[in-house]
Amino acid sequence: GEDVEQSLFLSVREGDSSVINCTYTDSSSTYLYWYKQEPGAGLQLLTYIFSNMDMKQDQRLTVLLNKKDKHLSLRIADTQTGDSAIYFCAEGNTPLVFGKGTRLSVIA
Amino acid sequence: EAGVVQSPRYKIIEKKQPVAFWCNPISGHNTLYWYLQNLGQGPELLIRYENEEAVDDSQLPKDRFSAERLKGVDSTLKIQPAELGDSAVYLCASSSENYEQYFGPGTRLTVT
Repeated sequence: GEDVEQSLFLSVREGDSSVINCTYTDSSSTYLYWYKQEPGAGLQLLTYIFSNMDMKQDQRLTVLLNKKDKHLSLRIADTQTGDSAIYFCAEGNTPLVFGKGTRLSVIA
Repeated sequence: EAGVVQSPRYKIIEKKQPVAFWCNPISGHNTLYWYLQNLGQGPELLIRYENEEAVDDSQLPKDRFSAERLKGVDSTLKIQPAELGDSAVYLCASSSENYEQYFGPGTRLTVT
């Protein structure tokens, strides 16, 4: 079945870049997504990438997709304390299949 | 533009009691989703509606869970009777196209 794997924790210093990695199994996914969840809140759609692309940049966010290895990454440039949250990778068309999330801690 | 609205935000009930959650999607979004999020996990789909039709309810525990979206707009998810293991966050999401789902803040349910 479909499965999405992420590392559970990442800690970076303010101003550094953060890279959150994800592997997935469903090669038929049309889109792959990154969501952000702050404490007590729902999930916020950060960005998504179409499966025929290998990179997408949106301000401080860069998404890299290696379809051959089924690997997705999210790079956050100039990480700020406000970026501290849980980041979920998701694959699938409908329904979405989410990973368990990576908790990003930003140290001032 | 208002986002997805859910109520209540928090609910504490005793086991075996019924509970209901309400969701109002973003205006114009035909697709509505209910997800369950356990602590330390990603969301898992319970049911998906296209307008008023439930098109995917394969993961909904139908012995105790029910949902409706009568007029194809807002939706209610019900649990009767609630069990201790139902304690979780219940998230509602909506989309106009299937590739951009927008989530509400969720209802945190505690069953004691």
